[in-house]
Amino acid sequence: GAVVSQHPSRVICKSGTSVKIECRSLDFQATTMFWYRQFPKQSLMLMATSNEGSKATYEQGVEKDKFLINHASLTLSTLTVTSAHPEDSSFYICSASPSSSNTQYFGPGTRLTVL
Amino acid sequence: LAKTTQPISMDSYEGQEVNITCSHNNIATNDYITWYQQFPSQGPRFIIQGYKTKVTNEVASLFIPADRKSSTLSLPRVSLSDTAVYYCLVGDGPGNNRKLIWGLGTSLAVNP
Repeated sequence: GAVVSQHPSRVICKSGTSVKIECRSLDFQATTMFWYRQFPKQSLMLMATSNEGSKATYEQGVEKDKFLINHASLTLSTLTVTSAHPEDSSFYICSASPSSSNTQYFGPGTRLTVL
Repeated sequence: LAKTTQPISMDSYEGQEVNITCSHNNIATNDYITWYQQFPSQGPRFIIQGYKTKVTNEVASLFIPADRKSSTLSLPRVSLSDTAVYYCLVGDGPGNNRKLIWGLGTSLAVNP
């Protein structure tokens, strides 16, 4: 149980385009999901906390207009990287917790490459 | 938010027991301690979680002293496939709104 999926697993796009990444909790409902970014050989950096039915809470230094988060249901959160640039190339990972647990479960990640 | 400190890297050999210790001096009363494993280009995988004393599951044991200012992840008889980065985290409060702050983790290399 407690499986989180992400789609797509890998995306390559041209500079200036927008990319949407989906995060789904497959066998549980998640009021809150988290979005992380990880650069090569570095740790995970929390970008934002996604709350179902309300606005996301962004960490300091993360542009909310560039990284749009929508948490439309208890099993789906999306991250849209708008007007992507090469510096946005990274590994994006989401996580979610079942409401009955303190444990966060992570998706497999999405590798974004912006040319 | 409680900060964690753990060794940057460790080396071991197949079949050995590996113990990775993490310091979290500022852990809060309601914080749990959670360990994750991450392989390259994959999301972190939950290993074990505990609050105090000892917790054991099918893959690892977690030892937490009474003061909870540190914890030790114990991996019995490691294999080559256990080569990964291991992260120790403490939460920012209970429930599913916990925000986790990630350190650099411990890069474990298991050699033949």
